[in-house]
Amino acid sequence: DGGITQSPKYLFRKEGQNVTLSCEQNLNHDAMYWYRQDPGQGLRLIYYSQIVNDFQKGDIAEGYSVSREKKESFPLTVTSAQKNPTAFYLCASSSSREGLEQYFGPGTRLTVT
Amino acid sequence: GENVEQHPSTLSVQEGDSAVIKCTYSDSASNYFPWYKQELGKGPQLIIDIRSNVGEKKDQRIAVTLNKTAKHFSLHITETQPEDSAVYFCAASYPSNTGKLIFGQGTTLQVKP
Repeated sequence: DGGITQSPKYLFRKEGQNVTLSCEQNLNHDAMYWYRQDPGQGLRLIYYSQIVNDFQKGDIAEGYSVSREKKESFPLTVTSAQKNPTAFYLCASSSSREGLEQYFGPGTRLTVT
Repeated sequence: GENVEQHPSTLSVQEGDSAVIKCTYSDSASNYFPWYKQELGKGPQLIIDIRSNVGEKKDQRIAVTLNKTAKHFSLHITETQPEDSAVYFCAASYPSNTGKLIFGQGTTLQVKP
């Protein structure tokens, strides 16, 4: 069963703690992306990776970090430096390094109190 | 910078009627325009896309049209059904093959039975 998995679906953390969100794909896609979605808003790009061992900052990278050590995995760490971390986080992947036809995972809803 | 404006923000139609959502983009170098459907609490699903060398594309009840001169593109849903109720997002590719998409703010479509 091919696709993108994100875990967990819901995540709760205390302010000041770092937290890592998981994203795995078995589609053999080169490119992977992390987006943040706030209520009633569109998707904003946090980080993206077009190939293993390489990644680029998106539009709102401050307070976040990523790694891309394996083709199928692109974990996102939300650090304590992120001022408003509570949001819905979406991971996507694409077979195209140009970002065409991005397919999304089910998302992780992070709540920080 | 690149920007995508989406209208309307909410749309309510009667079952069986047509629905049209419009997006405008700012950079004439954008060449890929996908549309996503997002149901509550889920990740966005790619429903149709169009490249800049095509003016119109259809897939059963949905179609997308592109006007490169005016820099706008539209999603058309005919014979709407209650299961079409969702949030719809348009997006445009950043120019220069950066592997990034810019998303509109979303349209909440309600189809009333």
